[in-house]
Amino acid sequence: AQSVSQHNHHVILSEAASLELGCNYSYGGTVNLFWYVQYPGQHLQLLLKYFSGDPLVKGIKGFEAEFIKSKFSFNLRKPSVQWSDTAEYFCAVSGGSYIPTFGRGTSLIVHP
Amino acid sequence: EAQVTQNPRYLITVTGKKLTVTCSQNMNHEYMSWYRQDPGLGLRQIYYSMNVEVTDKGDVPEGYKVSRKEKRNFPLILESPSPNQTSLYFCASSLQGENYGYTFGSGTRLTVV
Repeated sequence: AQSVSQHNHHVILSEAASLELGCNYSYGGTVNLFWYVQYPGQHLQLLLKYFSGDPLVKGIKGFEAEFIKSKFSFNLRKPSVQWSDTAEYFCAVSGGSYIPTFGRGTSLIVHP
Repeated sequence: EAQVTQNPRYLITVTGKKLTVTCSQNMNHEYMSWYRQDPGLGLRQIYYSMNVEVTDKGDVPEGYKVSRKEKRNFPLILESPSPNQTSLYFCASSLQGENYGYTFGSGTRLTVV
C-alpha cells in the first residue's frame, strides 16, 4: 500500500523568505508524485507533478519540487514566497492503480 | 469549460435523513473519487471508481454509498447521516492511464445536526 507523510503541519514565513515543504512517501514500485494547493475557501488545484525523467520538476507560480528516489522524498520549494502563497499544500503519490493517496497537508501562512 | 461540478455547495441536514451529493464531470474521465477533508487529517478517500459499474472502497467508506451508472456521474449517498460525517467533501476525476492528476470539484460543506 502507498502512503504519504508531510512533516510540516504549519509553516509561517515572511514575504521573500524561502520555502521548503517536506514530503516522504512509501511505495515499493514506480510512483507518480504530485503537489496540490488549496487556497482559502477553494478546491484543490494541481501545482506540479512528476512522472519520469528529470527529477527536478517546475510547476506554476514559481514552485518546484525535487524527486529523490533514494530518500523517497518529493519536497516542494520556492525561493521567495509571496503573501498570495498563503494556502494549504498537499503532497500525493500514486502507484500502479493511478489512484492517489494524499498527505495530511501543510498550512502555509505568509506574512506581508 | 472542463470541470467537475458538485451540488450542493452547502448542506445542513438532520441525523438520519438520507441525502445525495451529486458529482458530474464533462471530460470523459474514467477515474472518479470522493474525498472528505477534515482539519488535521487532510484528504481521506471515501470511494473511488475506475470506470462505469466499477467502484471500490477507499480509506473511510463506512456510512457512505456510491454508484457509477454513467461515466460522467458519481453521486455520493449518505443513507443515514450522523454528526461525525460533518465535513468538507470533494469529488475528483482523472483520465485513466495518463495520470495527469486529479481535477477537483469545488467542494460540498455538509453539516449534520
